Amino acid sequence: EPEVTQTPSHQVTQMGQEVILRCVPISNHLYFYWYRQILGQKVEFLVSFYNNEISEKSEIFDDQFSVERPDGSNFTLKIRSTKLEDSAMYFCASSELRTAMNTEAFFGQGTRLTVV
Amino acid sequence: AQTVTQSQPEMSVQEAETVTLSCTYDTSESDYYLFWYKQPPSRQMILVIRQEAYKQQNATENRFSVNFQKAAKSFSLKISDSQLGDAAMYFCAYRVGGADGLTFGKGTHLIIQP
Repeated sequence: EPEVTQTPSHQVTQMGQEVILRCVPISNHLYFYWYRQILGQKVEFLVSFYNNEISEKSEIFDDQFSVERPDGSNFTLKIRSTKLEDSAMYFCASSELRTAMNTEAFFGQGTRLTVV
Repeated sequence: AQTVTQSQPEMSVQEAETVTLSCTYDTSESDYYLFWYKQPPSRQMILVIRQEAYKQQNATENRFSVNFQKAAKSFSLKISDSQLGDAAMYFCAYRVGGADGLTFGKGTHLIIQP
């Protein structure tokens, strides 16, 4: 069964460094999403992306964050100048149509980012 | 702002018994959708069941059913005949119609006792 895959499963980075989290969505999906979950907190929506443009973003998704589909298979989340409070589990998801159209999104296993 | 509250951080049930996980939400929207997601240990979050707010009938998927009380803004998940494979973190989630982003609760850790 097709899956959304995220690499690495755990990434440690120093405060102030840039980090790129990688995701390979399901191959025929066109819409992509990032969510994060700070330890002990709720899973929070960050951004949705389609056709090389951001469709929707939350208040959390500020100038520190950017997303990109650098090639036909990867979808990345870049965090510039990481802060301690960026430590969280980051989930990638993809869907065939926009979830706003009531289509199911499929989630990856997540990348645990630890900023030290 | 929309909020989703899961008041049970952890629940435990004997195998083959029935368990109900609670979820309440707060919204001023009339068009919205509600979901229950399951996340087994070290695995992806998967959709268990969803409910459109405009539908009065409670959604059912095999052993999983919901009790949707729109006026009370309550959306509980009932798991019948619990199985060991049901052990997971369960997240209640909400989405406004026409929006992409899901709003999640903190989750309930479900333990199945053999």
